[in-house]
Amino acid sequence: GESVGLHLPTLSVQEGDNSIINCAYSNSASDYFIWYKQESGKGPQFIIDIRSNMDKRQGQRVTVLLNKTVKHLSLQIAATQPGDSAVYFCAEILSWGGGADGLTFGKGTHLIIQP
Amino acid sequence: DAGVIQSPRHEVTEMGQEVTLRCKPISGHNSLFWYRQTMMRGLELLIYFNNNVPIDDSGMPEDRFSAKMPNASFSTLKIQPSEPRDSAVYFCASSRRRDRGINGYTFGSGTRLTVV
Repeated sequence: GESVGLHLPTLSVQEGDNSIINCAYSNSASDYFIWYKQESGKGPQFIIDIRSNMDKRQGQRVTVLLNKTVKHLSLQIAATQPGDSAVYFCAEILSWGGGADGLTFGKGTHLIIQP
Repeated sequence: DAGVIQSPRHEVTEMGQEVTLRCKPISGHNSLFWYRQTMMRGLELLIYFNNNVPIDDSGMPEDRFSAKMPNASFSTLKIQPSEPRDSAVYFCASSRRRDRGINGYTFGSGTRLTVV
């Protein structure tokens, strides 16, 4: 039969604009969160991480916000560039260093940068 | 730093054949993870090792799948016999466990497996 693949949400933004990618995570007990970027044909690439005892963390052009009340993560990318076009995944770990170290990934969002 | 190295990059095999995927983690990393990525299911954790010891293999789909880590610098994921539904991209990742503030896990470039 015909296979049905994941229908990834798509976010299209103009080059130079800011973008916000959202993610709802599954486990309220998760302790550590990571955002990954995956370009076609490549493995996921680390962008930024955040522990559950923080609600905001900034990197170069990126900011991650964590709202534990509603189990929500967001990734903000400032001044988007063509090279930012990729699929972005959020991932959670139940207990960093506590034995349950496997990452659980979200479904991903496809970010498209329009020239 | 050469990163996580996986081989082969592409593998095409016939149904029923044995397939072995290889991974060399980053030196000094003591945790290693095997993931599978498909359009249907996204990225799934198959198994992970801490200090060469398998910790959680609950994600391994069937007994046809097995993974080993004979030493800190090498791991294999074996599928025997392979089936068309095993077609996917298989990623290996490594990390330093209990290391605060590290940049998460590092993924390899993946092995694209096609079983015909």
